[in-house]
Amino acid sequence: EVQLVESGGGLVQREGSLRLSCAVSGFTFSSYWMTWVRQAPGKGLEWVAAIKADGSEKYYVDSVKGRFTISRDNAKNSLYLQMNSLRDEDTAVYYCARLSYWANDNWGQGTLVTVSS
Amino acid sequence: QSALTQPPSASGSPGQSVTISCTGSSSDIGGYDHVSWYQQHPGKAPKLMIYEVTKRPSGVPDRFSGSKSGNTASLTVSGLQAEDEADYYCSSYAGSNTWVFGGGTKLTVL
Repeated sequence: EVQLVESGGGLVQREGSLRLSCAVSGFTFSSYWMTWVRQAPGKGLEWVAAIKADGSEKYYVDSVKGRFTISRDNAKNSLYLQMNSLRDEDTAVYYCARLSYWANDNWGQGTLVTVSS
Repeated sequence: QSALTQPPSASGSPGQSVTISCTGSSSDIGGYDHVSWYQQHPGKAPKLMIYEVTKRPSGVPDRFSGSKSGNTASLTVSGLQAEDEADYYCSSYAGSNTWVFGGGTKLTVL
């Protein structure tokens, strides 16, 4: 069974930092691109970042470029999102998801990040 | 990286069919056959319902179908059931290894 479990969310001050983790199991992690998608309270989904299977390529939505870094450790079956210089508008539930055929076919349960002044 | 456009709401009675549209541009929907649709119940993670415009993952009922014409994609739910009431989001590959989502449509089963 494919499982993705996010952790690391919480309350952080504006301009602060937070590192999210996503532990995966049930599939060959090193064979798949992975993504982070977020959802602000009461709002829609927003694609945040994607990383190639071997970690050699990383892509971001414009609003987080230079502030967020996606990474992975294939030996640990784990995906990460380092978030720096956090803003109020970064408050959201952050989901990690597996990418297959250009779609997110498996999702974690999400972890809530709240940015407060 | 502009969001795709979806109607905020849609509705239908049990047994009826409803179609949700998703409009983008030639840079996303119109440029690639990589449109996907997600169902999200309140407080839950999204679930993939359609990928590559028309394909259904294993376990998704064949009442759900997808299509695309030009810069607009559509999700049709036939034989509406109470459990289909949820938010639905479209998404498209937008080139250069980026993706974009629609704003979401709340489907109500009357």
